Amino acid sequence: DTAVSQTPKYLVTQMGNDKSIKCEQNLGHDTMYWYKQDSKKFLKIMFSYNNKELIINETVPNRFSPKSPDKAHLNLHINSLELGDSAVYFCASSPRRNTGELFFGEGSRLTVL
Amino acid sequence: RKEVEQDPGPFNVPEGATVAFNCTYSNSASQSFFWYRQDCRKEPKLLMSVYSSGNEDGRFTAQLNRASQYISLLIRDSKLSDSATYLCVVNLPRGSTLGRLYFGRGTQLTVWP
Repeated sequence: DTAVSQTPKYLVTQMGNDKSIKCEQNLGHDTMYWYKQDSKKFLKIMFSYNNKELIINETVPNRFSPKSPDKAHLNLHINSLELGDSAVYFCASSPRRNTGELFFGEGSRLTVL
Repeated sequence: RKEVEQDPGPFNVPEGATVAFNCTYSNSASQSFFWYRQDCRKEPKLLMSVYSSGNEDGRFTAQLNRASQYISLLIRDSKLSDSATYLCVVNLPRGSTLGRLYFGRGTQLTVWP
């Protein structure tokens, strides 16, 4: 069983479209994250939720909207996609906040044409 | 200045070699430190935490020098399967940033037969 699973793994879309990426973890963790890894390989946090509550919201355009229906799920919706949104988006979870022990999903590679 | 700086490499070493990676961090109040490993087109995975007194896990040794704000990872007797990108990760202190993790860009290692 995959601990942190995200779908879709690959997404190719046109500029201006809206798309969503879903994430689920079956580890019973309280905290979930979205990270973005750009073409230069830097991994940067976007959002963090703890028990469905938003606790970290980095300087991310408001076209990006996370939603956590329950503590096992954290979805990411992106409106009006731009070329610069092309990246790999990783979902992760951890047993608690303020820990360095993160469990990542396999990533969702988004390409905006 | 970036929170975490790493030499991106690449490091190309023969099997059996010993190789060391270094990492510096800018915030002296950083609380905890980690090394992650990321295989090509895969998700990052926690390799080991870094403790103040230094710690070892099999062929891997991690060291922390708080005075110099420097972290290192030593790999002895390199194996082909060690080929990956090694990410230095720093956890900023609780209270100011709710435990954000900052990832370095990573150091690429290739072990050849």
